[in-house]
Amino acid sequence: AQRVTQPEKLLSVFKGAPVELKCNYSYSGSPELFWYVQYSRQRLQLLLRHISRESIKGFTADLNKGETSFHLKKPFAQEEDSAMYYCALSGFDYGQNFVFGPGTRLSVLP
Amino acid sequence: KAGVTQTPRYLIKTRGQQVTLSCSPISGHRSVSWYQQTPGQGLQFLFEYFSETQRNKGNFPGRFSGRQFSNSRSEMNVSTLELGDSALYLCASSLASGSHNEQFFGPGTRLTVL
Repeated sequence: AQRVTQPEKLLSVFKGAPVELKCNYSYSGSPELFWYVQYSRQRLQLLLRHISRESIKGFTADLNKGETSFHLKKPFAQEEDSAMYYCALSGFDYGQNFVFGPGTRLSVLP
Repeated sequence: KAGVTQTPRYLIKTRGQQVTLSCSPISGHRSVSWYQQTPGQGLQFLFEYFSETQRNKGNFPGRFSGRQFSNSRSEMNVSTLELGDSALYLCASSLASGSHNEQFFGPGTRLTVL
């Protein structure tokens, strides 16, 4: 069965500090991994996906199939990064059937 | 382009009643997915519709159903409401089915079952 875990419910860091949001998954096939973000009073939106290997707002994430992880990283956190972050998985065979992790609330302190 | 819209935004029902939620996708998008979000279970996939056909279904009882119209608008119906159905119901649209198509989420409908 597909499953996504995010071990931290809340992560607090100071502005300018590095940040890493952890995501682990279980899936028997070839997964596609995503990070979604929800800023306060805004809609859930796509932050990045592993297949495009891009950096958005300074965030990067590398898919590690050996460790079944897709951790989100940013070298220098900004206050505007404070938000709820969700890791999500989709199998290529599953259309838009996404499995979301429970989410991590990132709080960047001044 | 206008974003995904959902109506109503808030709804209060009592146990045993039924409810219909509506989702209008972004113009040109043909795939609509529905999710239930609760504090306890997080975001859970309900179903996806593409070209008026249900393409995927999550692990929810048959009380949860949906449909999609020829203009891609979608409705979700929950019959015989239970207290546990209280949740935020999110709709997302994408150009086509397939996980490589970015999903755009609506603001959600907050359903409260008393």
